[in-house]
Amino acid sequence: EPEVTQTPSHQVTQMGQEVILRCVPISNHLYFYWYRQILGQKVEFLVSFYNNEISEKSEIFDDQFSVERPDGSNFTLKIRSTKLEDSAMYFCASRATSGTPSEQYFGPGTRLTVT
Amino acid sequence: AQTVTQSQPEMSVQEAETVTLSCTYDTSESDYYLFWYKQPPSRQMILVIRQEAYKQQNATENRFSVNFQKAAKSFSLKISDSQLGDAAMYFCAYRSNYNAGNMLTFGGGTRLMVKP
Repeated sequence: EPEVTQTPSHQVTQMGQEVILRCVPISNHLYFYWYRQILGQKVEFLVSFYNNEISEKSEIFDDQFSVERPDGSNFTLKIRSTKLEDSAMYFCASRATSGTPSEQYFGPGTRLTVT
Repeated sequence: AQTVTQSQPEMSVQEAETVTLSCTYDTSESDYYLFWYKQPPSRQMILVIRQEAYKQQNATENRFSVNFQKAAKSFSLKISDSQLGDAAMYFCAYRSNYNAGNMLTFGGGTRLMVKP
């Protein structure tokens, strides 16, 4: 069964450093998402991406964040200058189309620890 | 903006028994989807069941069923014949059909413990 994959599974970085989290969505999916979950809290939407552009973003997704689909398979989330409060689990998700009640398939997540 | 509330931070159930997890949501929209996701200790989010708002019939998936009350904006999950593998965090989620991103709005989660 196809699945969303994410790398790395755990990333430790120092405050102020740039990080890139990588995701490989399911191959025929067209919509891509990033969510984050701070430990013990709810899952929060960050950004959605379709047709090579951001379709929607939350208040959390400020200028420090960016997303890219550099090739036909990867979908990345970049945090330019990490802060302690960016420590969280980051989930990538993908979805097939908007015309059907298609579900979002989630990857296993990347745990980001900012020290 | 839509909000999703899960009022039970923790629930426990005896193996083979039935448990119901509560979820309420707030929206002014009429066309949307509701989901229950399971998050086991591995942290991966797994879809359990979905409900389309325009369908009156409650969704069922094997041992999982929902009680969807649209007027009351309530969407509870019933797990029958609970198994040890059902132990996890359960998140209720809302998805609008009116915004371009179709993103999910999650509730705060309910931790389900299953006692042998």
